[in-house]
Amino acid sequence: AQTVTQSQPEMSVQEAETVTLSCTYDTSESDYYLFWYKQPPSRQMILVIRQEAYKQQNATENRFSVNFQKAAKSFSLKISDSQLGDAAMYFCAFTNAGKSTFGDGTTLTVKP
Amino acid sequence: DAGVIQSPRHEVTEMGQEVTLRCKPISGHNSLFWYRQTMMRGLELLIYFNNNVPIDDSGMPEDRFSAKMPNASFSTLKIQPSEPRDSAVYFCASRLAGGVETQYFGPGTRLLVL
Repeated sequence: AQTVTQSQPEMSVQEAETVTLSCTYDTSESDYYLFWYKQPPSRQMILVIRQEAYKQQNATENRFSVNFQKAAKSFSLKISDSQLGDAAMYFCAFTNAGKSTFGDGTTLTVKP
Repeated sequence: DAGVIQSPRHEVTEMGQEVTLRCKPISGHNSLFWYRQTMMRGLELLIYFNNNVPIDDSGMPEDRFSAKMPNASFSTLKIQPSEPRDSAVYFCASRLAGGVETQYFGPGTRLLVL
């Protein structure tokens, strides 16, 4: 069974600064997908970014980028130029053969 | 395009009552997932369907829970009888199988069982 570990229950960042959220996973599979989802207080799960394991290039979506280290089974999320609207819980997810496993989440606070 | 639609958004019921949660996936998606989110257990996959067929229900907690998908546009998750420990946020998500495996979530149903 796959496991996903987010070792930082809480993180804080100053507005306009950069923050990195950590995620590691354990799997014996070679073909899979990784995702970061954002859950603001509204509870809506919003897709932030995704990474295909077969791609070596790190995914980027505007201010959000990942550092995908397949050998180390690490998938961190970097948020640049943090904004107040980035405050939320962030979940890392591993998906293989249709099933997803989610980490426990990291609560991000953005300080003005 | 409309996203995943869930109803009701909030449900308050008394222990022992039957609860039915509803989900309409994104049009054209052929996989549907039911999740439960609690503070204690995080986000748990309860069951998922491919082409209206249940593929994996190993996450369904017990016989009080049942899920159906009678057609590609509709699914239900039923709890009978409900218990206070069933209080949680229940999410439905859908995906286009064979694509990039991205699941799109509905807004969730917040269930409180008194």
